Amino acid sequence: KQEVTQIPAALSVPEGENLVLNCSFTDSAIYNLQWFRQDPGKGLTSLLLIQSSQREQTSGRLNASLDKSSGRSTLYIAASQPGDSATYLCAVRRSGYALNFGKGTSLLVTP
Amino acid sequence: ETGVTQTPRHLVMGMTNKKSLKCEQHLGHNAMYWYKQSAKKPLELMFVYNFKEQTENNSVPSRFSPECPNSSHLFLHLHTLQPEDSALYLCASSQDNYGYTFGSGTRLTVV
Repeated sequence: KQEVTQIPAALSVPEGENLVLNCSFTDSAIYNLQWFRQDPGKGLTSLLLIQSSQREQTSGRLNASLDKSSGRSTLYIAASQPGDSATYLCAVRRSGYALNFGKGTSLLVTP
Repeated sequence: ETGVTQTPRHLVMGMTNKKSLKCEQHLGHNAMYWYKQSAKKPLELMFVYNFKEQTENNSVPSRFSPECPNSSHLFLHLHTLQPEDSALYLCASSQDNYGYTFGSGTRLTVV
């Protein structure tokens, strides 16, 4: 069974800092890995999708990397802003269609 | 309208009631999903439909009954629920090996 772990569980940083969120998974036989953002009580917004053949993806201030052999992914957020405050979820897709999720990292960016 | 739309946004029901959650996707995707999100737990996959056919049932109690009349619509019929079934229910869709798109969710409270 695929286990997905996200560290840290919670993070508080002042505005402007660069930060890294970590995701690890136990089974390296994956199709892809997706990072999501979730605001309180809301659905999930897709941030970045990395296919198994890729090493990284970038969108604006966000950069996600994937090291399949070691079972790790990182989400890098540059120049953080209060609007980045949310829970960030990592999800891994193996065979079939199901995604396995971590519990998320709750981020608070203070002004 | 684009994306994945879920209705209602909020639902309060008694344990003897029967209600249904609705999900509609306007993305032309072939797969649709129901996920459950409870406090302090990772998202849990409930059901997967691919081209209207159920391909996964993740040991979900029979008081939850999914229905997929076509590739664009997905329902979750609820009856005789328990208070521990209170959660955020999320619908999602995907196309083949590409990323998921989630709806905003239905916040269900069972009283």
